Parts: sequence; C-alpha cells; structure tokens
Amino acid sequence: GAVVSQHPSRVICKSGTSVKIECRSLDFQATTMFWYRQFPKQSLMLMATSNEGSKATYEQGVEKDKFLINHASLTLSTLTVTSAHPEDSSFYICSASSPGQGSSGANVLTFGAGSRLTVL
Amino acid sequence: DAKTTQPPSMDCAEGRAANLPCNHSTISGNEYVYWYRQIHSQGPQYIIHGLKNNETNEMASLIITEDRKSSTLILPHATLRDTAVYYCIVRPGGSYIPTFGRGTSLIVHP
Repeated sequence: GAVVSQHPSRVICKSGTSVKIECRSLDFQATTMFWYRQFPKQSLMLMATSNEGSKATYEQGVEKDKFLINHASLTLSTLTVTSAHPEDSSFYICSASSPGQGSSGANVLTFGAGSRLTVL
Repeated sequence: DAKTTQPPSMDCAEGRAANLPCNHSTISGNEYVYWYRQIHSQGPQYIIHGLKNNETNEMASLIITEDRKSSTLILPHATLRDTAVYYCIVRPGGSYIPTFGRGTSLIVHP
C-alpha cells in the first residue's frame, strides 16, 4: 500500500534554532499533504495544508512565519520550525491522500510515522 | 461536519472481539465514516471506511446502522498490538482532511 516517509523521527535542538522535517510520499504523487501537531495526551490538530507549487493554507492560530511549509515537488513537503522555543516541542505528523484506497468519493489518508521535536 | 461521540476508553481481553461504538447522529447523506487508529508515539493508521453498507477488510469490520446515525468498529480477535487510540471520523465525499476528536483508548489485556 501507499507509504509516507517522515524524517527525522526524533530531533532535539536548542532554543532559537530552526528545524526542518521532511515528508515524502513513496511510489505515489501527492499534490496535497497535511501537517498535524500533537501534544502529549491530546488529539491531532491540523496545522496546515501543503499544496504542490503554491502556498500552504494555515489553520487559524498557526503562525505561517514560524512554521514554514514548502511543497516543491509531488513527492516532498517540508515543515520548518523557525526560531524554535520549548513550547514548540511536540509530535509533528504529516499525511497524504492515498491513491486507490478510497471508494468513489471517499478519501483515505496515509500518515507518516511522526517526528518528535524537543526544544531545550 | 457531523460531530462524532466515542467512549473515552474501553478494554478487551486478548482473543476476544473488540466492539468500538461511534455516534454520529447528525451525519448527512454524502458523509463517509472513517476509522483510524494511533498506536502510542506513531502516526495514525487507516483501518476502514464506509458510506451506507457494512464493510470488512483484513483488519476489521464496520457496521453502520440503517439510519447511519451510529457505527461500530469490530476487531474480531483483538491482540495486544491492537492497543491504541481509535478515531471515528465523519467527512463529506471529496474532502480530504480528517479532523480528529479524542477517540477511544482501547486497551487489550492478556
């Protein structure tokens, strides 16, 4: 089936530095990818929708200048957390629509394994 | 989007069937029912989806009531590896983006 690869799985950085997380669709093209954030013991919160070749669409309350999203190709979207601070420590998860899994009208997402960011 | 209601937690004995309910009483005609699960510290995993008819795949069965106001995910022979948070999501056809509620935390015990 469809696979979404996410890298790195874990990253620790110092406060004030920037961290880039990559999300790749393997063996299929994804014109749209989605980025979620999950704090401990909470559910996933959609941060933004990444569109190949155009600007990302951010959810209300998500700072677009802090969470830079680039979707430069049909198989790669990146999320860069700029000037990270301890409150940005979280589990970041990307996803893409899986080809062939949805019945007529349905859309099934395949998720990456997630990236755990710890900002010291 | 239709709101879903799930019990916060359930437990099940290994080898027995796990039946996870979901209430979606405000579902509209073009909305699908999707189930995903998230094992601790991993990304969510798609399980199954349906519109009107019951569905079965290698992972689970989905039973949707005739009025579509509720559904049940059935794991026929639960294993310890099925311990996870299970999310029931209702979304219109053609819409990609699932939004996640709190889900049901299923614990399968020996």
